[in-house]
Amino acid sequence: ETGVTQSPTHLIKTRGQQVTLRCSSQSGHNTVSWYQQALGQGPQFIFQYYREEENGRGNFPPRFSGLQFPNYSSELNVNALELDDSALYLCASSLGAPKGGEKLFFGSGTQLSVL
Amino acid sequence: AQSVSQHNHHVILSEAASLELGCNYSYGGTVNLFWYVQYPGQHLQLLLKYFSGDPLVKGIKGFEAEFIKSKFSFNLRKPSVQWSDTAEYFCAVNAQGNNRLAFGKGNQVVVIP
Repeated sequence: ETGVTQSPTHLIKTRGQQVTLRCSSQSGHNTVSWYQQALGQGPQFIFQYYREEENGRGNFPPRFSGLQFPNYSSELNVNALELDDSALYLCASSLGAPKGGEKLFFGSGTQLSVL
Repeated sequence: AQSVSQHNHHVILSEAASLELGCNYSYGGTVNLFWYVQYPGQHLQLLLKYFSGDPLVKGIKGFEAEFIKSKFSFNLRKPSVQWSDTAEYFCAVNAQGNNRLAFGKGNQVVVIP
């Protein structure tokens, strides 16, 4: 077990809806990253939060947004869902400032299906 | 931005066979290199990593990887696989200074008993 929990495990939405995915980091981990893993692909970096501030973003449109809370739990919000948003969404936490090389602890993911 | 290429996305082999998975990356600066594994129904977990020093890195469960800087490669090897090595294997890289990983597409490895 990594100590990183994500909810819900599965979710079905329709095109145009909004969705919120949640992540509880391993205790004490103040950096959280979100990744999107489409079927047959490797995870793609969406964005990262460190101490409640966004600390880098991948090639995703603004309708993907996030939050990190004082207890270091995190949310990923996606507005105006599109069919291509169907994927496994992974949360990963790490300890300390993200300088490179820190071990990431991944959750089991939320499987989002957009119909 | 970094990118990672993995070849032979589906690999089927028998127990005791040797395994080698290729990984090439493109990035002009200094990188950290990783192999992650995802066993069926489980989360991604770190298999091994390279930051600096000895280019031959040993990880868990008998896996090792060799960093060849001139070839931008970080290939994963295991001399003798077991049925329990059935999993998906991902190569990943990040630039020094951040821990945002760029992953390859993965290798689905099936070991037949």
